[in-house]
Amino acid sequence: ETGVTQTPRHLVMGMTNKKSLKCEQHLGHNAMYWYKQSAKKPLELMFVYNFKEQTENNSVPSRFSPECPNSSHLFLHLHTLQPEDSALYLCASSQDQRDRSGNTIYFGEGSWLTVV
Amino acid sequence: AQKVTQAQTEISVVEKEDVTLDCVYETRDTTYYLFWYKQPPSGELVFLIRRNSFDEQNEISGRYSWNFQKSTSSFNFTITASQVVDSAVYFCAYTSRQLTFGSGTQLTVLP
Repeated sequence: ETGVTQTPRHLVMGMTNKKSLKCEQHLGHNAMYWYKQSAKKPLELMFVYNFKEQTENNSVPSRFSPECPNSSHLFLHLHTLQPEDSALYLCASSQDQRDRSGNTIYFGEGSWLTVV
Repeated sequence: AQKVTQAQTEISVVEKEDVTLDCVYETRDTTYYLFWYKQPPSGELVFLIRRNSFDEQNEISGRYSWNFQKSTSSFNFTITASQVVDSAVYFCAYTSRQLTFGSGTQLTVLP
């Protein structure tokens, strides 16, 4: 059983919809991440939270809005997405995100998003 | 900037064959960490191994082994006696601050 759980596993949404992806980690970690994995593209880091504070926003469009209410939960709010946003969205966590810490990042199973 | 190259896009082998997945990285850092992850069709990235830049010892875990050579900036992964369940995309990754992934190698093990 994975220590990082994501819901929903599959989501189909229209371009005018508002939906959210949820992530929960059961590993006692303090850093949480959102990654995007599109077909034929490398994994892209989107956001990083460390101790509930956002530390990285990798030039992500504002139609993606993250929320981290505590160190165990991370949300990705989706609004007026485009078809090219269809991808696998992976949540991950690590002990913390200090520079050069090299902490292992553990991933969830991902949420497959299709925008129609 | 750091860069991770996995030159093999796809590999197919027959069950019980040994297979080596290549990973080459570029960096100017002296302290860094290297990882391998497995991604089965379900999507989850499964952590396999973490190695820091000061530890060049090779590692073996069951049928898996890793060969880290700083002289050639390589961190190759070998599966011995491959099985159908090994079929997945394998990612090599590097970090000195932010985790950077290679483009992945799709391994197909045929029965």
